[in-house]
Amino acid sequence: GAGVSQSPRYKVAKRGQDVALRCDPISGHVSLFWYQQALGQGPEFLTYFQNEAQLDKSGLPSDRFFAERPEGSVSTLKIQRTQQEDSAVYLCASSLAPTKNEQFFGPGTRLTVL
Amino acid sequence: DQQVKQNSPSLSVQEGRISILNCDYTNSMFDYFLWYKKYPAEGPTFLISISSIKDKNEDGRFTVFLNKSAKHLSLHIVPSQPGDSAVYFCAASPTGANSKLTFGKGITLSVRP
Repeated sequence: GAGVSQSPRYKVAKRGQDVALRCDPISGHVSLFWYQQALGQGPEFLTYFQNEAQLDKSGLPSDRFFAERPEGSVSTLKIQRTQQEDSAVYLCASSLAPTKNEQFFGPGTRLTVL
Repeated sequence: DQQVKQNSPSLSVQEGRISILNCDYTNSMFDYFLWYKKYPAEGPTFLISISSIKDKNEDGRFTVFLNKSAKHLSLHIVPSQPGDSAVYFCAASPTGANSKLTFGKGITLSVRP
């Protein structure tokens, strides 16, 4: 595809449910990032993959958050036992190479936890 | 502690005039800076960037200025157009591999026709 795609675009979950958010990066992009954007804030880093290796997960807020990229392309962000404070837009970004700072973002998934 | 600060939440400018969006940072390890533009219900779109070895980078109507000693950068849009109305995010990273971006809170720019 031409750009980064994410699905679903909107997700409503009841508190305690598990959710899985998908990211399809730009073809050939080695680096993949996940960010969380709360209302009125800028995106905040969650985790980073270089190919299939998760090299940085320092931004994940709790052990309920888990991300994977098993074949080095598509990535999934999973949130277990969702809480109301998990409500946010989850953005995925990819870049061509680890040394390239320009990241290209998908449209995001808006998660609402009731 | 906010490492990238965009202290003005909003800016309103007349069409055709200059828009100046400001950004300050505190982390001395940052040496690469980017501006992103975001429309509602879309992801941020990369606009322009600058490395700390430069003090200015220009791309069409957009120019970014970097004052490293003051830890300050600004985005100039000349002339401003109604289609420029959006939220603008300043972001920073250290150069090198695995460079996650640190974002400011964003500035909402409104360009009046």
